[in-house]
Amino acid sequence: EAEVAQSPRYKITEKSQAVAFWCDPISGHATLYWYRQILGQGPELLVQFQDESVVDDSQLPKDRFSAERLKGVDSTLKIQPAELGDSAMYLCASSEGRGGNPFTEAFFGQGTRLTVV
Amino acid sequence: KQEVTQIPAALSVPEGENLVLNCSFTDSAIYNLQWFRQDPGKGLTSLLLIQSSQREQTSGRLNASLDKSSGRSTLYIAASQPGDSATYLCAVNNLFFGTGTRLTVIP
Repeated sequence: EAEVAQSPRYKITEKSQAVAFWCDPISGHATLYWYRQILGQGPELLVQFQDESVVDDSQLPKDRFSAERLKGVDSTLKIQPAELGDSAMYLCASSEGRGGNPFTEAFFGQGTRLTVV
Repeated sequence: KQEVTQIPAALSVPEGENLVLNCSFTDSAIYNLQWFRQDPGKGLTSLLLIQSSQREQTSGRLNASLDKSSGRSTLYIAASQPGDSATYLCAVNNLFFGTGTRLTVIP
């Protein structure tokens, strides 16, 4: 069964260091999402891609976060420099969505648990 | 901005009971509403997707309904089992999530 792949599963980094997360969506899925989930809360959207283009990054803290999906397939989310408050689960999801209904069923990866010390 | 609310935040039931989880949203102009299950430390598993033109979807012991006019969706779980223990989240348009209901099914 096709899955969304994320790596690493766990990451511990020191404050002010750079950290990167990788996501490989289900093959053929045009839409890719990055979310941040703080313990006890629901996921919050950071960025949405349609193929290689950013559709929505209004909630992405652009002074320290960046995201790219250069060839419209896999994606990287980077934080530089990391802060203590960035400790959270970072989730990637993908959906077929394109054209008239961009919001089709979303499938999630296992996430990356980031701890900033 | 769309606001999604899930009540209750936590629910504990004995095994075998039928139960209903609630999800409400403020803007009825939606494309879809999706229910997910999340086990501790894991990603989200899709349970049911209801498109805006649909009223309900069923999968096994799960049934989800959607009433756009009232801004509500419910997830009905029949004959609950200890393995159903998890946090259940609803999401609108893959963009706006509730904070979840943590379900515990007691053997």
